[in-house]
Amino acid sequence: GNSVTQMEGPVTLSEEAFLTINCTYTATGYPSLFWYVQYPGEGLQLLLKATKADDKGSNKGFEATYRKETTSFHLEKGSVQVSDSAVYFCALSNSGGYQKVTFGIGTKLQVIP
Amino acid sequence: SQTIHQWPATLVQPVGSPLSLECTVEGTSNPNLYWYRQAAGRGLQLLFYSVGIGQISSEVPQNLSASRPQDRQFILSSKKLLLSDSGFYLCAWSVRTGGVNQPQHFGDGTRLSIL
Repeated sequence: GNSVTQMEGPVTLSEEAFLTINCTYTATGYPSLFWYVQYPGEGLQLLLKATKADDKGSNKGFEATYRKETTSFHLEKGSVQVSDSAVYFCALSNSGGYQKVTFGIGTKLQVIP
Repeated sequence: SQTIHQWPATLVQPVGSPLSLECTVEGTSNPNLYWYRQAAGRGLQLLFYSVGIGQISSEVPQNLSASRPQDRQFILSSKKLLLSDSGFYLCAWSVRTGGVNQPQHFGDGTRLSIL
C-alpha cells in the first residue's frame, strides 16, 4: 500500500536559516505529492503540490521537487522566519474513486529569533 | 471560490453524551467529503469519506458515525462519547475527478474534549 515517511521533529532553527524537511514515499502508479502546513489550533492548508516527476511545487518561498528516481519530495526554504513555525505534512494522492490521500506523521518546525 | 466551514470550533462534552459536528462546503458541487481525527501530537487518521449523498464509507471501526444528508453537508455523530474520542476533528473536501489526483482542502477543525 501507499506510505509517506518524514522526520517527526521537532526541528529547531534560527531565523534566516536554511530549511530542509525530508519526505520519501512508497506508492503504486503515479501519485501526486503535496505539502501541507498546520499552524497551532488550525486546520491543514495546502502549501504546494506536484503532479508528475520532475515537477517543482513552490509557494511562499517554499519549494519541493518530485523525484521519482529517489521517491522523494523534500521541502526546502532558503531563509525561515518565526512565522513559519508550524507542523508540516507531506502527503500523496493516488488514483482512486475517492481521491484517498496518505499523510506523513508531520514534522514540527520551531523557528527562534 | 470554495470555502469549507466546520462548527463548533471547540466542544467540551461529558462521557456518555451524544455528539454532532457539522461541516459544509460552498462554491463547489459533488465534492468528495472526509472526516479525520488528529490525536494530540499525532498524525491524521481518516475516519469516513463520502462520494455522494447518503454514501458513507468507514475506514476504521469505532464509536462514531457519519452522514451526508445534502450534497455539501457532512455530519459526524456519536450516540455515546468515550474518553478516547477526544481529539481534533477535521473535515475536508476534494474535487471528484477521474483524472489528475487532487489535493484535499481542510476546515479549521473542532477541538473535542471529553470529561
